[in-house]
Parts: sequence; C-alpha cells; structure tokens
Amino acid sequence: NAGVMQNPRHLVRRRGQEARLRCSPMKGHSHVYWYRQLPEEGLKFMVYLQKENIIDESGMPKERFSAEFPKEGPSILRIQQVVRGDSAAYFCASSPPPRSSYNEQFFGPGTRLTVL
Amino acid sequence: AQSVTQPDIHITVSEGASLELRCNYSYGATPYLFWYVQSPGQGLQLLLKYFSGDTLVQGIKGFEAEFKRSQSSFNLRKPSVHWSDAAEYFCAVVGSGTDKLIFGTGTRLQVFP
Repeated sequence: NAGVMQNPRHLVRRRGQEARLRCSPMKGHSHVYWYRQLPEEGLKFMVYLQKENIIDESGMPKERFSAEFPKEGPSILRIQQVVRGDSAAYFCASSPPPRSSYNEQFFGPGTRLTVL
Repeated sequence: AQSVTQPDIHITVSEGASLELRCNYSYGATPYLFWYVQSPGQGLQLLLKYFSGDTLVQGIKGFEAEFKRSQSSFNLRKPSVHWSDAAEYFCAVVGSGTDKLIFGTGTRLQVFP
C-alpha cells in the first residue's frame, strides 16, 4: 500500500509565476491536509479538504493561494504570482473517513518550493 | 487557542547518552499529543501519540513520552541515543474542530560519536 505521494519533490519558480503542488492520498483516504514549513520553523496548518469540499481553510493566506481536492485525481495546492516569501516546504497529509474522535494523519515527503 | 512550545531549539548529546526533549502545550480539554521526527530533506514520521489512558507512552525506535497534565507537558525520552537519531523533532497537539495539527517550532538533535 503506497503512502502519501507528493510531486514534484522540488520546484523552482521565478517571482510572478504559478506553482502547482500535487498530493495523492493513501488508498482509502478521503481527507487531505496541507501544511507549510518555512525555513527554521515548524509546520503550520493551511487547509483541510475532503473530496470536492473545503472543510477548513483558516490557515490559508487570503490572496494567491487556493486548494482543491476533486472527485478524481490528486489534491492540488496552487500558488499564483509567487513571491520569495513563498519559498518553503509544503507537506500534505491524508487521513481516512472519520470513524472515531481522531483520525491519524499520514504525511507525504513534501514539496520544496524555491522562488528565485 | 491551542499552542505548543518546544523550549530547546538545538540539543547536542553524545552517542549512548540519555535524551529528554521538552514539550509544553496549551489546551483546554484533554489533548491529543504527538511526537514526530523529520530527517533532513524528508517528511514527518510519527514516533508516538497520546490520546488517553496510561500516561507513559511507548513509541518506535526506543522512544517514550510521558504526559503530565499538572505540568502541561509531554516530554520525549530515550535512554540511549544512537547516531541515527540525529534529526529534527516536533511535538504537536490536535486543534479543536477539524483534527488539524498544531506543531511546535521543533528541536534539532545533534549526536556526537
């Protein structure tokens, strides 16, 4: 059973370009979380999605950032008009449908975005 | 609001020495607590978790952690550190509502031979 997949693992963009980060959850998982890790910092929650629905986007910057998790295909985190401050590692985690008071999250290897 | 504090940014120990990494949390109810390890350039691996019950939790790679409600702490321990334990360690608590994890800023562990 493959784990959470993220691609690309490394992404380089120039200021003003768009970045698209993909996350394929573990088989059977219908919930996805995105976290951002700035240099020398811990991970910060960005957004929580289930298929075709955003559940919690309280950690998303108000502009330029969007996320989706379509019925078919991976979850996408999209950053428009990137700036140098967007350089970070972006981690995706997936969890199964809720069955108890907490569902463990399984993390992918991350996408390291560098903005030149 | 929930928060996690890891007071030690960087810790250095000799191989074979004991280890304790500190974690303090702020949460109104009984927290769900986690320790993750991140090797350079890698994702996060779950070491152990506490939901309820026995306050001493055993994890993988010989790690354990003790939940102390009176001190709002969940410190990670290992009796004898191996060189391969050098990594970044993150303590986390589950936030209310949607299961999102709230992470501390991490402790970087360096191990000398």
